[in-house]
Amino acid sequence: DAGVIQSPRHEVTEMGQEVTLRCKPISGHNSLFWYRQTMMRGLELLIYFNNNVPIDDSGMPEDRFSAKMPNASFSTLKIQPSEPRDSAVYFCASAEGGEQFFGPGTRLTVL
Amino acid sequence: GENVEQHPSTLSVQEGDSAVIKCTYSDSASNYFPWYKQELGKRPQLIIDIRSNVGEKKDQRIAVTLNKTAKHFSLHITETQPEDSAVYFCAAHFFGNEKLTFGTGTRLTIIP
Repeated sequence: DAGVIQSPRHEVTEMGQEVTLRCKPISGHNSLFWYRQTMMRGLELLIYFNNNVPIDDSGMPEDRFSAKMPNASFSTLKIQPSEPRDSAVYFCASAEGGEQFFGPGTRLTVL
Repeated sequence: GENVEQHPSTLSVQEGDSAVIKCTYSDSASNYFPWYKQELGKRPQLIIDIRSNVGEKKDQRIAVTLNKTAKHFSLHITETQPEDSAVYFCAAHFFGNEKLTFGTGTRLTIIP
């Protein structure tokens, strides 16, 4: 298995633009998580899905952020419009039975 | 909800010595406790975990201990090497709720 796949690996955009981050979980894993990591705030859980259904989105910072999981092998995290304070590394992770496996992350820079 | 506290936030250890990182959790129903290692610019990777029916688990130079009564667990690294330098995160979760609550991380530096 290739592990959790994320794209793009790096994204540089201008304030106000829409950003879409993508994730393919490990096949057979029924849970998917989106995290954001910054020096100031550490590792924050934004949202997680179980069997493609959003279970807890209490970490989503505001309405500019949205996430979808249309099927078991794909999820997106969208920021619209983006702001400089959204600059961070965004990780996707998938899990089966507790153990979470992280993807390589997307480094987002909003200018 | 669950709250996990981790100490220290930074730790410097002479190569060859041992390092200990401690975490406490608040929810007595938590029953799974993983530790992740994150090297600079890379993803967090699971290095060891323990479930609440076990008091200690060892994997070569790494061990984790769990005290359910006191609600704390610790990571022990013996014979430290330069490649052990990284940020280490503890986490806790209640089985059946897939969400992990992470500690704030410990930056471990091994001094050659």
